[in-house]
Amino acid sequence: KQEVTQIPAALSVPEGENLVLNCSFTDSAIYNLQWFRQDPGKGLTSLLLIQSSQREQTSGRLNASLDKSSGRSTLYIAASQPGDSATYLCAPEGLNDYKLSFGAGTTVTVRA
Amino acid sequence: GAGVSQSPSNKVTEKGKDVELRCDPISGHTALYWYRQSLGQGLEFLIYFQGNSAPDKSGLPSDRFSAERTGGSVSTLTIQRTQQEDSAVYLCASSLNRGSTEAFFGQGTRLTVV
Repeated sequence: KQEVTQIPAALSVPEGENLVLNCSFTDSAIYNLQWFRQDPGKGLTSLLLIQSSQREQTSGRLNASLDKSSGRSTLYIAASQPGDSATYLCAPEGLNDYKLSFGAGTTVTVRA
Repeated sequence: GAGVSQSPSNKVTEKGKDVELRCDPISGHTALYWYRQSLGQGLEFLIYFQGNSAPDKSGLPSDRFSAERTGGSVSTLTIQRTQQEDSAVYLCASSLNRGSTEAFFGQGTRLTVV
């Protein structure tokens, strides 16, 4: 069974700082890994998808890396803004079962 | 539609009643997933569909839970004889195909069993 761990559980930074969110997973047999954000009381918004063959994916201020063999992914958010405050979730998709397995998330607060 | 649509957005039901939750995936998406998020908890996988078939039902918590998908489109999650522990947000997601494509989530149905 895929186990996903996200560190830190919570993060509070002043506006403008760069954010580093870590995700580790136990089973490297994955199709891809997706990063989501969830605002309180809302559904999940897709941020980035990294295919298992990729090492990195970028979208605007977001950059995600993937080291499949070691079971790690990192999401970098540059020049954070208060609007980046949310819970960030990573989810690898299993090669054998097609399930998205979720970590507990990292709750980010960006202070103005 | 433009995104994944779930209805109702909120449902309050009495313990012991049956409920049906609906998910309209993005048009053309063959894969559809149901997850549950209890208060303060992570996302719990329930079931996924590829087309109309459900290869993996292992996440359904009990035989009170069932799901179906018709015409490769709309899916319904049914909970019979609801219990208070069924209270949660039920989230649906769809993707173009299983494996390698981005999954998009709906806004969820908040179920409260009183």
